[in-house]
Amino acid sequence: EVKLLESGGNLVQPGGSLRLSCAASGFIFTNYVIVWVRQAPGKGLEWVSGISGGGTTTYYADSVKGRFTISRDFSENTVSLQMNSLRAEDSAVYYCAKKKADYSAPFDFWGQGVLVIVSS
Amino acid sequence: SYVLTQPPSVSVAPGQTARITCGGNNIGSLSVHWYQQKPGQAPVLVIFHDRDRSSGIPERFSGSNAGNTATLTISRVGAGDEADYFCQVWDRSSDQTSWVFGGGTKLTVL
Repeated sequence: EVKLLESGGNLVQPGGSLRLSCAASGFIFTNYVIVWVRQAPGKGLEWVSGISGGGTTTYYADSVKGRFTISRDFSENTVSLQMNSLRAEDSAVYYCAKKKADYSAPFDFWGQGVLVIVSS
Repeated sequence: SYVLTQPPSVSVAPGQTARITCGGNNIGSLSVHWYQQKPGQAPVLVIFHDRDRSSGIPERFSGSNAGNTATLTISRVGAGDEADYFCQVWDRSSDQTSWVFGGGTKLTVL
């Protein structure tokens, strides 16, 4: 059974940092790109970041470039999103999802999401 | 960056057909995916590559894509179809890889 389980969500002050984790199981971890997608309360979906199956290529939305870093741990089958210099507008539910390596492939399975609140 | 435009809401009576559109410049040349999201739940892939149904999705769900509009069609709509629907593409128009979502359409079953 495919599983993606996010963790690490929390309340953090503006300017602070947070590290999210996505634990994967039930599929061949290195065969899939893992992405992070966020959803602010009552809003739509926004792609945030992605990392290739081999961990050598990373992708970032302009809104987070230079502040967020995505990485992959092959011993733990996890993908992490290090979020620095957090802003109020980063408050959202963050989902991790998997997709095949083809750029045009869909996000075929999603985790349940984790809540990040940036507020003083 | 590439922009996908969806109507904020679509309403349909039970048993009727709902059509949710996703507009974009020459979107017919792109591969469009559709996700269903029910309140408090994660999105679920329903249609991929314009018209292929994801595993477990009923045949009532279908997709098409041509010109500047992609369409998700749900026939014989029931209360269980009430949800937000999002279209998504890979944005190949820019010099960096990114994936884009439409703003979402709330389907209401009257």
